[in-house]
Amino acid sequence: KQEVTQIPAALSVPEGENLVLNCSFTDSAIYNLQWFRQDPGKGLTSLLLIQSSQREQTSGRLNASLDKSSGRSTLYIAASQSGDSATYLCAVGDYTGGFKTIFGAGTRLFVKA
Amino acid sequence: DGGITQSPKYLFRKEGQNVTLSCEQNLNHDAMYWYRQDPGQGLRLIYYSQIVNDFQKGDIAEGYSVSREKKESFPLTVTSAQKNPTAFYLCASSMTSGGRDTQYFGPGTRLTVL
Repeated sequence: KQEVTQIPAALSVPEGENLVLNCSFTDSAIYNLQWFRQDPGKGLTSLLLIQSSQREQTSGRLNASLDKSSGRSTLYIAASQSGDSATYLCAVGDYTGGFKTIFGAGTRLFVKA
Repeated sequence: DGGITQSPKYLFRKEGQNVTLSCEQNLNHDAMYWYRQDPGQGLRLIYYSQIVNDFQKGDIAEGYSVSREKKESFPLTVTSAQKNPTAFYLCASSMTSGGRDTQYFGPGTRLTVL
């Protein structure tokens, strides 16, 4: 059964710092991986979608990488801003038992101004 | 504006009551999903629908029911059989089914059992 883990559960950094969020998954047979942002009490917003044939995707200050063989993905945030404070969730598209999206519990990011 | 709406934002339920959460989308998406989010946990799939008049159980369907009579609408009923319904409920949609495309989420409904 696919499991998605995000460590650490929470992270606090000063504004301007570059940072990396980690995501690991147990079964490499995925067809994509997505990173989402969730503000407190709100829904999820998709940040980046990496297909299984891709190694990375970039959007502005965000760069996500995917290494299927090791079951890992990272989300790199450059020059962090206080507005980046949110919870970041990783989700994998999984073949097991039919197509399904499996979510990690998220990393709660605090960027201190 | 295209998007997904959920109502109400907050909902309070007494023990033994059924309540229905609304989810509407105007993105012309075929697939719709209901997730439950509890503190410190990832989203868990309750039900999903790939097409009108069809839906399948997710990982935690017990105590919930859905309908998909229109493409735009996918309401979720939390029945009295759900033993621990207090949670944040999120509705999502995607162009095709199974999570192969980006899922777009609504703002959520927070349900509290009194």
